[in-house]
Amino acid sequence: GAGVSQSPSNKVTEKGKDVELRCDPISGHTALYWYRQRLGQGLEFLIYFQGNSAPDKSGLPSDRFSAERTGESVSTLTIQRTQQEDSAVYLCASSSSGGASTDTQYFGPGTRLTVL
Amino acid sequence: DQQVKQNSPSLSVQEGRISILNCDYTNSMFDYFLWYKKYPAEGPTFLISISSIKDKNEDGRFTVFLNKSAKHLSLHIVPSQPGDSAVYFCAAPTFSGNTPLVFGKGTRLSVIA
Repeated sequence: GAGVSQSPSNKVTEKGKDVELRCDPISGHTALYWYRQRLGQGLEFLIYFQGNSAPDKSGLPSDRFSAERTGESVSTLTIQRTQQEDSAVYLCASSSSGGASTDTQYFGPGTRLTVL
Repeated sequence: DQQVKQNSPSLSVQEGRISILNCDYTNSMFDYFLWYKKYPAEGPTFLISISSIKDKNEDGRFTVFLNKSAKHLSLHIVPSQPGDSAVYFCAAPTFSGNTPLVFGKGTRLSVIA
């Protein structure tokens, strides 16, 4: 079946502009995660959605970052007033329940964001 | 403070030999560990995992070993193949029952034919 998809695959923007990144999780997956990977670093957790519960926003680096999820489907990560340090690959993952630590997370291909 | 550490940024191994990738962690509450493999321009893909109640888990050419007292795990690939060339990430769920993952920085494995 279809995996996690993300769009756009690449985004180049100017400092100060807002960007929206989209994630389509695997159908039926109730849990959705956003991570980012800056150059030379590991993946860094940003935000986590589980069903209709309030999202876990503990990983968001600043109030310029926000995310929404429509039901148990599409999610959008928004970065306002982008800064050069926001340049990274933004990865979305989904899993089947999110209620147990053993649920495998399936990742999308990522969106490479470059802030000039 | 990095809770999951991969201290070797890169590793080169000849085809057919064993690849050993290492990972250390600091949080003694971690009870489950995963290895992900990542090719360029693709998202990470799940490779193998291990629960803290075990000290070894094997899946084909891949074996993960866990030493809880040393807070150390390793991934063994044998025999190594050129297609194994990728970046390997060690990860652990942040909390039991809450599954955002904490990742190491990754080790780039190059398998030379």
